[in-house]
Amino acid sequence: TQLLKQSPQFLSIQEGENLTVYCNSSSVFSSLQWYRQEPGEGPVLLVTVVTGGEVKKLKRLTFQFGDARKDSSLHITAAQPGDTGLYLCAGPNYNQGGKLIFGQGTELSVKP
Amino acid sequence: DAEITQSPRHKITETGRQVTLACHQTWNHNNMFWYRQDLGHGLRLIHYSYGVQDTNKGEVSDGYSVSRSNTEDLPLTLESAASSQTSVYFCASSPDVALGQFFGPGTRLTVL
Repeated sequence: TQLLKQSPQFLSIQEGENLTVYCNSSSVFSSLQWYRQEPGEGPVLLVTVVTGGEVKKLKRLTFQFGDARKDSSLHITAAQPGDTGLYLCAGPNYNQGGKLIFGQGTELSVKP
Repeated sequence: DAEITQSPRHKITETGRQVTLACHQTWNHNNMFWYRQDLGHGLRLIHYSYGVQDTNKGEVSDGYSVSRSNTEDLPLTLESAASSQTSVYFCASSPDVALGQFFGPGTRLTVL
């Protein structure tokens, strides 16, 4: 069974600090996706990483796909209160018709 | 602009009643999904469809049904609502599962 484990589950930091969220699996994924969800809203796709070792940047967010395509990380530089939310990683499980498997999420709180 | 909408946004119903949640997308995506999100369980897949007349069960499909008569809509029906089905429900669509999904704003359902 393919599983995605995110760490940490909860993170509370001050504005301006850096942080990294991890998404790990024992299985290989063809791609991994990162979403952000704010309270009362649906998840919003931030990025998809496809190639092992790939690094993508979205303003202060840096996403990396592991060389073996079993893990991914999200690094936020100089976090701001607007970064507060639930961060989810997800990957397609082609053993089950390509359905997305989601990690449990990382709840980030950035205090001013 | 293309979008995905859900209705109603909030619903209170009684145990035993039939409830239908609507999902409509204007991207012309073939792939559509229904999830429920509960504290401690993350996002769990209820049903999904890869095209008109195609429907498939997800990991928590008991008590739910869907039908796909056109590309734009995937209504979710709770045949006989139970208190255990109190949750937030999200619909999503995707042009390609590997590249990411686009989520609706969610429906908060309370079954009394």
